[in-house]
Amino acid sequence: GAGVSQSPSNKVTEKGKDVELRCDPISGHTALYWYRQSLGQGLEFLIYFQGNSAPDKSGLPSDRFSAERTGGSVSTLTIQRTQQEDSAVYLCASSTTGGRSPLHFGNGTRLTVT
Amino acid sequence: AQRVTQPEKLLSVFKGAPVELKCNYSYSGSPELFWYVQYSRQRLQLLLRHISRESIKGFTADLNKGETSFHLKKPFAQEEDSAMYYCALSEYGNKLVFGAGTILRVKS
Repeated sequence: GAGVSQSPSNKVTEKGKDVELRCDPISGHTALYWYRQSLGQGLEFLIYFQGNSAPDKSGLPSDRFSAERTGGSVSTLTIQRTQQEDSAVYLCASSTTGGRSPLHFGNGTRLTVT
Repeated sequence: AQRVTQPEKLLSVFKGAPVELKCNYSYSGSPELFWYVQYSRQRLQLLLRHISRESIKGFTADLNKGETSFHLKKPFAQEEDSAMYYCALSEYGNKLVFGAGTILRVKS
């Protein structure tokens, strides 16, 4: 594809429900990142996948958050039992080799928890 | 501990005035630093990286290891420079850590 694709673009959910956010990275990019963007908090790192290595999950804010990357391509970020403070824009990015190469971002998923 | 600090949430300047967006970092290794920009209704994208030592859209940034800074500068601001700017640090060549961002508003 032309770039990183994220779906859905908008998601409204009730507090306590689970949500899944999807990211299709650029073909051939081995590195994939998830970030959370909220007012006043900037871009908060969540998780980083690089090839077949174990993911860096150090940014996940609680055990309600998890992510996986299947076949080294598509990634899914899952938030269980959503809370209002989870409301934010969730951004996915991919790059060819990791932090030294430019990150290509998707348009993000705007999550609203009511 | 905050590794990338952008002290200004909003910077407002007049068209033609000089711009300096501040970024300080905390890192024990050899840092790799970047500036990313997000224009209205566009994706976040790379503006420049310190190892390239290039000028992009008139912007430059110099890494100052003594002051642990990587400030973004432009001598004459243009209205189309209005955007959100993020400074970022690559840790061990892997994950990229971003600052809180600075909104630049260029007034006519």
